Amino acid sequence: ETGVTQSPTHLIKTRGQQVTLRCSSQSGHNTVSWYQQALGQGPQFIFQYYREEENGRGNFPPRFSGLQFPNYSSELNVNALELDDSALYLCASSSGGNQPQHFGDGTRLSIL
Amino acid sequence: AQKVTQAQTEISVVEKEDVTLDCVYETRDTTYYLFWYKQPPSGELVFLIRRNSFDEQNEISGRYSWNFQKSTSSFNFTITASQVVDSAVYFCALSALSGTYKYIFGTGTRLKVLA
Repeated sequence: ETGVTQSPTHLIKTRGQQVTLRCSSQSGHNTVSWYQQALGQGPQFIFQYYREEENGRGNFPPRFSGLQFPNYSSELNVNALELDDSALYLCASSSGGNQPQHFGDGTRLSIL
Repeated sequence: AQKVTQAQTEISVVEKEDVTLDCVYETRDTTYYLFWYKQPPSGELVFLIRRNSFDEQNEISGRYSWNFQKSTSSFNFTITASQVVDSAVYFCALSALSGTYKYIFGTGTRLKVLA
């Protein structure tokens, strides 16, 4: 059974640029959630996708957007990057809303 | 509103000591789930346990045990005979229907186990 995989592992961008992070969900999982974890903090919920539809959103501006594909993989897009966007971005998949979420290793994004 | 509080920012213990990590939560939902995750220096979140709000039975798994008390809204985690490999940041999380089951994480407790 393949777990949750995220790419890339690390990424360096400059302010104002755009970035796309990718996540492959665990086999059999139809729900994907994205979290932002700033240094020294707990993960903060960005949004969740269930069967290609957004199913809940946290307190993040519209420049954070996402997609879920028919194979349940997902992308997180961030436009107009700001210094505060530097963080570890975690993707998690599950087989339903109330089921345990399994996390990928994350993408560490650094904004210069 | 839903909230998770982990008041202990950092704990240091000597190997073989027992240590308890505290977690206090807030929710108005009657059905909710509580979780503990371990985050080693490599960064991935490792699932440790899930409890639902209707099951207050304490659980033991090897050196790990969890004490869930609805009366005090607490879900504490104890490591018995700690080992250096237990050094990590531990997160408590809450999910509930009113929040579309998104996870609300605490700020984490960094555990350092010294040899």
